[in-house]
Amino acid sequence: KQEVTQIPAALSVPEGENLVLNCSFTDSAIYNLQWFRQDPGKGLTSLLLIQSSQREQTSGRLNASLDKSSGRSTLYIAASQPGDSATYLCATQGGSEKLVFGKGTKLTVNP
Amino acid sequence: EADIYQTPRYLVIGTGKKITLECSQTMGHDKMYWYQQDPGMELHLIHYSYGVNSTEKGDLSSESTVSRIRTEHFPLTLESARPSHTSQYLCASRQTGVTEAFFGQGTRLTVV
Repeated sequence: KQEVTQIPAALSVPEGENLVLNCSFTDSAIYNLQWFRQDPGKGLTSLLLIQSSQREQTSGRLNASLDKSSGRSTLYIAASQPGDSATYLCATQGGSEKLVFGKGTKLTVNP
Repeated sequence: EADIYQTPRYLVIGTGKKITLECSQTMGHDKMYWYQQDPGMELHLIHYSYGVNSTEKGDLSSESTVSRIRTEHFPLTLESARPSHTSQYLCASRQTGVTEAFFGQGTRLTVV
């Protein structure tokens, strides 16, 4: 059974700092990995999708990498802003077609 | 912008009432999902559907039921609400293949 772990559980940084969020998974037989953002009391917003054949994806200040063989993905946020404060979730999708989520990293960017 | 909608956004209801949470998507996606999330906690899959007339139970046992009569519509029903059902319910959809999953804004349910 796939297990997804996100470290750290919470992170507080000053505005402008570059940061890395980590996601690890136990079963490397995934089709893709997706990063989401969740604001308090809201639904999930898709940030980046990395297919199993890809190594990384970029969108604006966000860059996600995937190392399937080692069961790891990272989300890099450049020049963080207070508006980036949210919980970031990663989820894997395998043959069962179900998304398996980590518990998330709660990010606070201080002005 | 994802075209997946959940109604109501917030619902406070008394114990024993029957409720239906609505989820609709206009993207023509074949797969739809319901997740349950308690405040500050992880998402748990409670139901999913691979297409019309297909429904399956998820990893977390739930007293709710779902139906998929139309591609775009995946309602969740609780026949008799209890305080233990208080939670946020999130609906998602995606198309078969390597595609993104999109989520609705969620329904926050409180049973008093």
